[in-house]
Amino acid sequence: DVKVTQSSRYLVKRTGEKVFLECVQDMDHENMFWYRQDPGLGLRLIYFSYDVKMKEKGDIPEGYSVSREKKERFSLILESASTNQTSMYLCATQPLAGGTTDTQYFGPGTRLTVL
Amino acid sequence: AQKVTQAQTEISVVEKEDVTLDCVYETRDTTYYLFWYKQPPSGELVFLIRRNSFDEQNEISGRYSWNFQKSTSSFNFTITASQVVDSAVYFCALTNGYNKLIFGAGTRLAVHP
Repeated sequence: DVKVTQSSRYLVKRTGEKVFLECVQDMDHENMFWYRQDPGLGLRLIYFSYDVKMKEKGDIPEGYSVSREKKERFSLILESASTNQTSMYLCATQPLAGGTTDTQYFGPGTRLTVL
Repeated sequence: AQKVTQAQTEISVVEKEDVTLDCVYETRDTTYYLFWYKQPPSGELVFLIRRNSFDEQNEISGRYSWNFQKSTSSFNFTITASQVVDSAVYFCALTNGYNKLIFGAGTRLAVHP
């Protein structure tokens, strides 16, 4: 079974803090994704990565950056957290062999509150 | 542009009722893939089904069934004899393989005993 873990289930930070959200997978998947989930909006893609040290912007990259130094780990960084970044953040992985149409596998999510 | 619409924001049923979750999509591509995911209260999205645009056969898996109709651009999901454990948010999603996965807004299903 694919296992995708996220560093925290719940996180509370203050406006202006630098926030790191970590995602680790154990299935050797090449593709990794960060989404945020907000009521009524579904999931929106923030950033994705097809390989180590490679990243591409999704729909809503503003205010975020990412880092992928190792294949199994994909980090989402909020350089200066703001209240409008309060949300549920979901990490996903996908095997490259299946192409971009293959199933994505999700972690449990991190519910971030920015005060 | 691609778009997925799940018009039902919330549905509430009593256990053992059948319930259908609607999904309508928009795409200009002839090749595309549709997905359904379940998000239980624990938060993790669980994959339910993946269907490509060339396969219009309906699928049944236990109490779950999916009705794919290209003529109406719909990929509806039916739960037969619903159970409390079916309570979750359900997402429909679409990709053409070249672009990102597009999710609908989700339908929250509450099954009451």
